[in-house]
Amino acid sequence: GQQLNQSPQSMFIQEGEDVSMNCTSSSIFNTWLWYKQDPGEGPVLLIALYKAGELTSNGRLTAQFGITRKDSFLNISASIPSDVGIYFCAGRFQGGSEKLVFGKGTKLTVNP
Amino acid sequence: GAVVSQHPSRVICKSGTSVKIECRSLDFQATTMFWYRQFPKKSLMLMATSNEGSKATYEQGVEKDKFLINHASLTLSTLTVTSAHPEDSSFYICSAREIQGLYTQYFGPGTRLTVL
Repeated sequence: GQQLNQSPQSMFIQEGEDVSMNCTSSSIFNTWLWYKQDPGEGPVLLIALYKAGELTSNGRLTAQFGITRKDSFLNISASIPSDVGIYFCAGRFQGGSEKLVFGKGTKLTVNP
Repeated sequence: GAVVSQHPSRVICKSGTSVKIECRSLDFQATTMFWYRQFPKKSLMLMATSNEGSKATYEQGVEKDKFLINHASLTLSTLTVTSAHPEDSSFYICSAREIQGLYTQYFGPGTRLTVL
């Protein structure tokens, strides 16, 4: 089936450091979404990307829709303890249905 | 904006009983809602796509007679787990897509189901 490869699987960083994670696919996407999920909660939308090359920021978060339309990255600058959680990328394949395909998540731990 | 609620947030039931979970879009209309199941430390697994006014579309391997979905209005979809068994214990999450949205899905807070 269609899959996204999300990396890294987990990250352990110090407060104040920058973080980068990415997702790749073998197929072309027309939508990339980044979500954060806290334990016992539903995913919260962080950034939505709709065009190749699009670079969008949301506070300390920045995400880009890759030019090839097969990848996306999420950067977090100056991490803080509340950034802890699991980050998921999700996307919709070009010509596909309304369904989203999800990455397996990146678990972020921030040490104070 | 784009708030989705779920009720209940937690439910414990006895094996053999049925449980209904509600998903509501609070400040937007959603012709399409989605139901996911999430196992511990795993990603979201799509169970079915719920379309207002029509039958839900189930993913392969999901029993439609066990997981009944009803999307009666543009703001409400319900998932009923019928004759629940312990293996149905899981975290169930719904999402909703705006009518005008660009396929962006907004998620509810999830429902933790425990079947004894």
